[in-house]
Amino acid sequence: QKEVEQNSGPLSVPEGAIASLNCTYSDRGSQSFFWYRQYSGKSPELIMFIYSNGDKEDGRFTAQLNKASQYVSLLIRDSQPSDSATYLCAVNSGYSTLTFGKGTMLLVSP
Amino acid sequence: DAGVTQSPTHLIKTRGQHVTLRCSPISGHKSVSWYQQVLGQGPQFIFQYYEKEERGRGNFPDRFSARQFPNYSSELNVNALLLGDSALYLCASSFELGIEAFFGQGTRLTVV
Repeated sequence: QKEVEQNSGPLSVPEGAIASLNCTYSDRGSQSFFWYRQYSGKSPELIMFIYSNGDKEDGRFTAQLNKASQYVSLLIRDSQPSDSATYLCAVNSGYSTLTFGKGTMLLVSP
Repeated sequence: DAGVTQSPTHLIKTRGQHVTLRCSPISGHKSVSWYQQVLGQGPQFIFQYYEKEERGRGNFPDRFSARQFPNYSSELNVNALLLGDSALYLCASSFELGIEAFFGQGTRLTVV
C-alpha cells in the first residue's frame, strides 16, 4: 500500500513568515513529487513539482526533496493571507498515477 | 488557452441512479485521470487513460467505468449510485505520463 503522510494541521503562521510544509512517502520507487494548493470548495492547483534530490525554487516557493529519507517539503517565504489553503503533497506511483496525502491546512494571519 | 474543463459542475442524483461526468483535457494533452475527493481527504485515484487506453485503475468497484475518446476527452460513469459516492470528482490531464498534471474545476456529485 503506497502511502503519503502529511500533518493535517492547521499550521498557523503570521503574515511575512516562512511556512514549512512536510510530507513523507512510503514507496521508495517514487519518481516525481508535486505540491498542489486547494482553496476550500475548489479544485487542486499545481504550484510546484520536483523530480531530483535537492531544492527547486519558484518565486516565494521552494520544494525540497530527499529520496534517501523519503521526504519532500514545501517552503513558502513571505507568507500572505492569500496563501491560506490546504496544501496537498502528491507522489507519482505505479502506472504514473498520483497518490495524495490528506493535505495540510495553512492559516496565515494578518 | 483553455484549461481542463469538466461538466457538469454540480449534480444531484438519487440512490440507484446512473451518472456520467465529462472531461476535456488541455489541448495537446494525451493523458486523462479521474480522482474522487471526499471532504477532508486527498483525492483518490479512480482511472487513468493514455492515448485512449486504460493505463491504471484504482481500488473502486465495478460500478465505476470510464473511457477516453479519439479527441482525448473522457467520461466517467457510475452505476447504481450509493450515498457514499457523494464527492468532488476531479479530472486531471497531462501531456505525457508521469509528469505534472493539471486539474479541472471538478464535478460536485451529491447522492440523496
